[in-house]
Amino acid sequence: QQPVQSPQAVILREGEDAVINCSSSKALYSVHWYRQKHGEAPVFLMILLKGGEQKGHEKISASFNEKKQQSSLYLTASQLSYSGTYFCGTEDYGNEKLTFGTGTRLTIIP
Amino acid sequence: GAVVSQHPSRVICKSGTSVKIECRSLDFQATTMFWYRQFPKQSLMLMATSNEGSKATYEQGVEKDKFLINHASLTLSTLTVTSAHPEDSSFYICSATKGSRSDYNEQFFGPGTRLTVL
Repeated sequence: QQPVQSPQAVILREGEDAVINCSSSKALYSVHWYRQKHGEAPVFLMILLKGGEQKGHEKISASFNEKKQQSSLYLTASQLSYSGTYFCGTEDYGNEKLTFGTGTRLTIIP
Repeated sequence: GAVVSQHPSRVICKSGTSVKIECRSLDFQATTMFWYRQFPKQSLMLMATSNEGSKATYEQGVEKDKFLINHASLTLSTLTVTSAHPEDSSFYICSATKGSRSDYNEQFFGPGTRLTVL
């Protein structure tokens, strides 16, 4: 089943903060976060592994609750460039295969 | 870096023709490549996983005879949409992994191919 993201869409003023959630019905090995702009490929933001390891950009933070099978992406002091659709991708067994979530459309206005 | 290219970036074809899309890892050897399809305003849906030298593994509901995948080398995978129809029009994106534990199975995405079938 596809991970469910919330909210589906959000509009922020530049400088405001946002939290995007990703919830899976399966036990997870890792969660990957991507941002996609219209007509372009997804851009890597963050990977969080079961056990606490993570890799990502300095200005992006995220959490991974293994027991609840949930992850959250935290965007602080948003900039216009943060606009786009955010997807989480979940990996079940460390087999590299990702199932992408339903997506969250983020719009930043001046 | 880890750069993945796709060719062509856009293709328009007539119904019934076949279209080949190439996915190349430019500066690394890709142990695994993935093919996704994305319809407008929808999420990425995995079509198949391919490893060099072996048959691709297709996701449930994806017709293997229609979407032919060839992973000829550690840097090249191709997707051929055979006898394309308008409902195959979509954004096709490939990704690749290095197979290195230090990369946490990060997938490096190509820029995508927009297919329009008339």
